[in-house]
This record gives sequence, C-alpha cells and structure tokens, in this order.
Amino acid sequence: AQKVTQAQTEISVVEKEDVTLDCVYETRDTTYYLFWYKQPPSGELVFLIRRNSFDEQNEISGRYSWNFQKSTSSFNFTITASQVVDSAVYFCALGGQAAGNKLTFGGGTRVLVKP
Amino acid sequence: EAGVVQSPRYKIIEKKQPVAFWCNPISGHNTLYWYLQNLGQGPELLIRYENEEAVDDSQLPKDRFSAERLKGVDSTLKIQPAELGDSAVYLCASSLRMNTEAFFGQGTRLTVV
Repeated sequence: AQKVTQAQTEISVVEKEDVTLDCVYETRDTTYYLFWYKQPPSGELVFLIRRNSFDEQNEISGRYSWNFQKSTSSFNFTITASQVVDSAVYFCALGGQAAGNKLTFGGGTRVLVKP
Repeated sequence: EAGVVQSPRYKIIEKKQPVAFWCNPISGHNTLYWYLQNLGQGPELLIRYENEEAVDDSQLPKDRFSAERLKGVDSTLKIQPAELGDSAVYLCASSLRMNTEAFFGQGTRLTVV
C-alpha cells in the first residue's frame, strides 16, 4: 500500500518569509514517482513538479525548491521569499505500481501568506 | 493548448436525483482519471481509464456510480441516485500515460440537498 503524510495542516507566514512544506511517503515499490500540486482558491490543481525515485537530485525553479531524501522517505518543498499569491493548499502525491499506478495524495497543507 | 475541461462547474440537486459530469481531457492524453475531493482533504481516485478501458475502478461505488469513456476521449461520470454524502468536488484529470504528471480540470462542485 502507498501512503503520503503531510503533517502540517496549515502554515501562516508573513510575506517574504520562507516556508517549507513537509511530505513523508510510504511505498513498497522500488520505482515510484513523487509530485507536488498547488490548489489555489479557484480550486484547480496545478502541477508543480514530478520526481522519479531514482533521481535524488534536488531541484530549484525560481522561488520553489524541492529536497528529495530517499533515506528518510521525504520530499519537502520550500517556497523562498513567499508572496501573497502563494496562498493555496499544497498537495504531495505518490505514484507507482504498488497502488495501481494512480496518484495517492496527502491531506494537503494550507499556506497563508499575509502581506 | 487547451487544458482539461469539465462541466458543469457547479450543480445543486435534491437527494435521489441523478446527476452527470462531463470531462474533455487534453488532446493526446491516453490516461483519464476521475477523483473525488471532500472538503479539507486530498483527492481520492474513483476510476482510471487507459484509452477506453477502465483499468482501476476499485474505489467506485458501483451501486450508484457509473462512468464511461467512449472512443477513448471524453468521459462522463454519473451518480444515480445521489445521496447527501455525495456532496463534494469531482475532479477530472488526464496524463499522457500512467505515472506521468496529471493535469486537472477545474472540477464540478456537487451539492446534494
């Protein structure tokens, strides 16, 4: 079975602060895929990143960065210098054969960036 | 390029009535998903199609829910009869193939009264 845990339900920061979202996963697959999605108040899930289990290189995209640590089964997401537009719910998801090749989502972390 | 299109955006129906949701995936995407999202929770898969074949419908309550994907393109999800507990957002997503990034539509917010 696959499981994704996002322990932080809500994080509140002031604009320009950095914020890190934790994601811990469980899977019996040796090959699996990790994703992050953003869900703004409009409701549409927006794809941010996909990672393969065999690629542990961290990634940076603008103000976004991701830290993949296979040893601790974590795939954390950091927003640097947060902006009000970053306010949303962020979901971590796991895909792989063990769960029928569907995305298993965590419960989400709501980020509120105050001006 | 057009994204995943869903309709309607909102639907309010009385319990025991039927309801249908429509999804048009991104052109060329073989995999189509229907997810259910309850308030404050992550999406949960209802059914996954590879082309026109439903390859994972283990979470679909088949006594009242049905889905189809004719010709491997558009898809329809139906509930008959609807219950109060079906109130949720129904999300459609598509991807090139399984385990690649899925792109989501805006969802249909269903309210059963």
